[in-house]
Amino acid sequence: KAGVTQTPRYLIKTRGQQVTLSCSPISGHRSVSWYQQTPGQGLQFLFEYFSETQRNKGNFPGRFSGRQFSNSRSEMNVSTLELGDSALYLCASSNGQPGDTEAFFGQGTRLTVV
Amino acid sequence: AQTVTQSQPEMSVQEAETVTLSCTYDTSESNYYLFWYKQPPSRQMILVIRQEAYKQQNATENRFSVNFQKAAKSFSLKISDSQLGDTAMYFCAFMGQAGTYKYIFGTGTRLKVLA
Repeated sequence: KAGVTQTPRYLIKTRGQQVTLSCSPISGHRSVSWYQQTPGQGLQFLFEYFSETQRNKGNFPGRFSGRQFSNSRSEMNVSTLELGDSALYLCASSNGQPGDTEAFFGQGTRLTVV
Repeated sequence: AQTVTQSQPEMSVQEAETVTLSCTYDTSESNYYLFWYKQPPSRQMILVIRQEAYKQQNATENRFSVNFQKAAKSFSLKISDSQLGDTAMYFCAFMGQAGTYKYIFGTGTRLKVLA
């Protein structure tokens, strides 16, 4: 069974640009959540999607957005990039069923904003 | 708001020895879930162990066990017979409601197992 796949693994962007990151969950999983990991703020929850609907959202500005497709693949977009957006972005895949708590993480996308 | 605190930024242990990582949390909820995740250099977060707050019995997974003290809001991880492959960052995490996948993570403890 394939794991969670995040693409690309590394990305360098310029301040002011926008970026799109992709996450393919484990086959059969319908929930995808996103986290930002930085040395200063640690791991922070961005949002969670289930069956193409955003169910939960963290405390991030509107520049951070996401979506989920009918095949459960998810993308997150960051517009007007700032230097502080440099981080490891982790995607997690889950079955999304009531009572479930386990998330399977991908290896992340390392975004550097210059 | 819930918080998770890991007060040990770095720890080291000799191979085959036992080490305990500390975690405290704060919440007003009566039912919740606690986790320890491991992040090796590959960056992929791997679930080590999970504890449901309504279960009094401490969770155990092979060499990994927890000491869950609900009244003290403490959730420590004990690694027995430490192996070189245990070298990683360890994160304590809290989830208030099952099915939200909204983890609140601590700042992590970097564990190094020495040969």
